[in-house]
Amino acid sequence: NAGVTQTPKFQVLKTGQSMTLQCAQDMNHNSMYWYRQDPGMGLRLIYYSASEGTTDKGEVPNGYNVSRLNKREFSLRLESAAPSQTSVYFCASRLDRTYEQYFGPGTRLTVT
Amino acid sequence: RKEVEQDPGPFNVPEGATVAFNCTYSNSASQSFFWYRQDCRKEPKLLMSVYSSGNEDGRFTAQLNRASQYISLLIRDSKLSDSATYLCVPRSYIPTFGRGTSLIVHP
Repeated sequence: NAGVTQTPKFQVLKTGQSMTLQCAQDMNHNSMYWYRQDPGMGLRLIYYSASEGTTDKGEVPNGYNVSRLNKREFSLRLESAAPSQTSVYFCASRLDRTYEQYFGPGTRLTVT
Repeated sequence: RKEVEQDPGPFNVPEGATVAFNCTYSNSASQSFFWYRQDCRKEPKLLMSVYSSGNEDGRFTAQLNRASQYISLLIRDSKLSDSATYLCVPRSYIPTFGRGTSLIVHP
């Protein structure tokens, strides 16, 4: 039981490049989330997914797209990376009954 | 107004000390909360849930005061490994995470 996994762990992009951050959970949770955390700040919600096939915008969705490929996987795509997207990205899934969230180890992204 | 407010700290305490954090919340309808801890450059991890009856887990005790709309976390016999940021989060489908309270336990 790996919990929530994220790939890659680190990534450096040039402005304008695109990439997809991968997230998978093996806990059979319906809800999944993408957050970003900037230095000294709290987590900010980018997108979330209540169930397979549904996605909704969070607080800071601009510049990102998501795909809920199946119940296990929820990916985050940056179509044209900008330096303002330099951040740590965390994926999380939520236990339906108790609302407890479980986080992946994060992806540290730098855009130059 | 933010859903929850915490003193960012840092709280600097010696090993063995007892330390308490408070978290105030604005939504009087909130029924329960979570405390998460986040180590530097790591993901948040669930520490404990807080319901109206409170919760105790070893050295950690959490209480919910509905009348004054705050949640507390008490840590007894602090360890160096308790150094982290502690996040108070309402039980919600779309939870909000603030900056939390930073705790530094020194020898």
